[in-house]
Amino acid sequence: NFMLIQPHSVSESPGKTVTISCTGSSGSIASNYVQWYQQRPGRAPTTVIFQDDQRPSGVPDRFSGSIDRSSNSASLTISGLKTEDEADYYCQSYDGINHEDVFGGGTKLTVL
Amino acid sequence: QVHLVQSGAEVKKPGASVKVSCRSSGYTFTNYAIHWVRQAPGQRLEWMGSFNAGNGHTKYSQKLQGRVTITSDTSASTAYMELSSLRSEDTAVYYCARGIAATPLQDWIDSWGQGTLVTVSS
Repeated sequence: NFMLIQPHSVSESPGKTVTISCTGSSGSIASNYVQWYQQRPGRAPTTVIFQDDQRPSGVPDRFSGSIDRSSNSASLTISGLKTEDEADYYCQSYDGINHEDVFGGGTKLTVL
Repeated sequence: QVHLVQSGAEVKKPGASVKVSCRSSGYTFTNYAIHWVRQAPGQRLEWMGSFNAGNGHTKYSQKLQGRVTITSDTSASTAYMELSSLRSEDTAVYYCARGIAATPLQDWIDSWGQGTLVTVSS
């Protein structure tokens, strides 16, 4: 089955830039849109990127998304890191073979 | 403003069923989909299925096919997720979420409910 693979954790200092990757296990990740969700401890997720690189209203432009076809990966980049960005981040896309949505394993971002 | 309000926490015995509701407000219910996503303690988000409130079409994950049923009461702008034959591994927070069509096959989620904790224990 199609899987999305994320690093377990990343850490960076306030004010810096961090990039979280999301690699498709098979097929082309560019075949379907990738979304990114932020989840703070004990809270419901919120959407920070949809359709690969679009930001919902209210999400600061410090958050950006991209697709790299050469590595079959999507990336979430957060610049000017703030302590409030500390959260779990999940990528999500669509498995066109089994016709179901798939989430990555999540990446814990620590801002220290 | 879009709101998705879910029913309260449930405790169920193994083998029983649970039905979680998700009441929508602030938008036209039939113009969007409702997705159900769950998260076991300390685990990843897991997509369970979705319901197109416009045409009534449902999709379910292969893993849960046969145990999960998504329905709705359009007049009440409310969606329901029922999970049967509960096991301890079904202990999780269950979320409903609003889906916006990006392609004929794929939605993106823009709003989430607050989550409902379902505990399965004997």
